[in-house]
Amino acid sequence: AQKITQTQPGMFVQEKEAVTLDCTYDTSDQSYGLFWYKQPSSGEMIFLIYQGSYDEQNATEGRYSLNFQKARKSANLVISASQLGDSAMYFCAMREGGQGYSTLTFGKGTMLLVSP
Amino acid sequence: DAGVIQSPRHEVTEMGQEVTLRCKPISGHDYLFWYRQTMMRGLELLIYFNNNVPIDDSGMPEDRFSAKMPNASFSTLKIQPSEPRDSAVYFCATAEGNQPQHFGDGTRLSIL
Repeated sequence: AQKITQTQPGMFVQEKEAVTLDCTYDTSDQSYGLFWYKQPSSGEMIFLIYQGSYDEQNATEGRYSLNFQKARKSANLVISASQLGDSAMYFCAMREGGQGYSTLTFGKGTMLLVSP
Repeated sequence: DAGVIQSPRHEVTEMGQEVTLRCKPISGHDYLFWYRQTMMRGLELLIYFNNNVPIDDSGMPEDRFSAKMPNASFSTLKIQPSEPRDSAVYFCATAEGNQPQHFGDGTRLSIL
């Protein structure tokens, strides 16, 4: 089974609207972390936001927020007031386990296109 | 602060040639990761180091690939001999402990 599932290959949104990018995860660990990265057409990977499994509040960073629903194992990224510069590929990733160090598992990504 | 620095940004070479990709981590970061990104397979972890020591190289595709981290400021990923199927974008990422990983701009590798 895939550890990270991003079911939306592509999403379209108009400028200034909000958009939600879906991410579901699969783990049996109690302690884990969820990350979102942005990859614009120029190719770099940019860290956006992090949510720990024990965090009670949903993470927020500027226009980005993470809608964390633990029981449903979902960690959707919400971008408010979309801008043209938000057009990019978005990757959800998970790090499992609390003991020692563990690496990230990435989803396949969602391509977001913001239109004027 | 300077981010993760990778070189070269682009590399085009003929199959059979040796390819060396370079990475300078963010100062103070004790973890370094090498990833490969392709359309077919997405983002794959190849190997990672902690305090210059390789911890897990299970993602390295075959013996043609090798990675070193001789000191805290430098790492290399080498492919010898290179093959067309090695064409991909190779990323280096670094992190301090369990903090989020920060990626370099990547090296776009084309093997003809």
